[in-house]
Amino acid sequence: DAGVTQSPTHLIKTRGQQVTLRCSPKSGHDTVSWYQQALGQGPQFIFQYYEEEERQRGNFPDRFSGHQFPNYSSELNVNALLLGDSALYLCASSLDPSGNTIYFGEGSWLTVV
Amino acid sequence: DAKTTQPPSMDCAEGRAANLPCNHSTISGNEYVYWYRQIHSQGPQYIIHGLKNNETNEMASLIITEDRKSSTLILPHATLRDTAVYYCIVRSGGSNYKLTFGKGTLLTVNP
Repeated sequence: DAGVTQSPTHLIKTRGQQVTLRCSPKSGHDTVSWYQQALGQGPQFIFQYYEEEERQRGNFPDRFSGHQFPNYSSELNVNALLLGDSALYLCASSLDPSGNTIYFGEGSWLTVV
Repeated sequence: DAKTTQPPSMDCAEGRAANLPCNHSTISGNEYVYWYRQIHSQGPQYIIHGLKNNETNEMASLIITEDRKSSTLILPHATLRDTAVYYCIVRSGGSNYKLTFGKGTLLTVNP
């Protein structure tokens, strides 16, 4: 049973560019959340998607957007990249929005230069 | 979400029990206590969660005090692979779905 899978694992972008990160939830899960983890910090909640809609959003600017597809997979898009966007981006999935057990993927390391 | 307080670091000898404390004095009645751990450069790994009663699974035990203001995660026989940052998180039910991570406790298991 595959867990949460994310791609790519590492990428380097230039300031001002746009990036798309991808996530496939654990089998049977229909809810996906995204987190940003800066170096030395705990993960910070970006937003959650369920039934292809954004259900809850953390304190992140509109440059951060997402999408959920009918097969429950999800994308995180970040526009106009800043140096401060360099971080580990984590995807998490659960059975439903209030699901008690939330599983994380290994993350995508984004470096903005 | 209620805030949690954890010691920044702890040491434990390999083979001994590791007891990680967490204070959550402002916890509400419908809020769960979750524990995750994160090994360097990997995604957080779910360990256990509970509401009122003590819980045990194949990884750990969670002991919640009767007033629910604190809890302890117990790793019964720590190994070197248990060296990680451990996060104690209080998560409400209802429509607030997010996990709010603090700085956690760096547990170092020594040979």
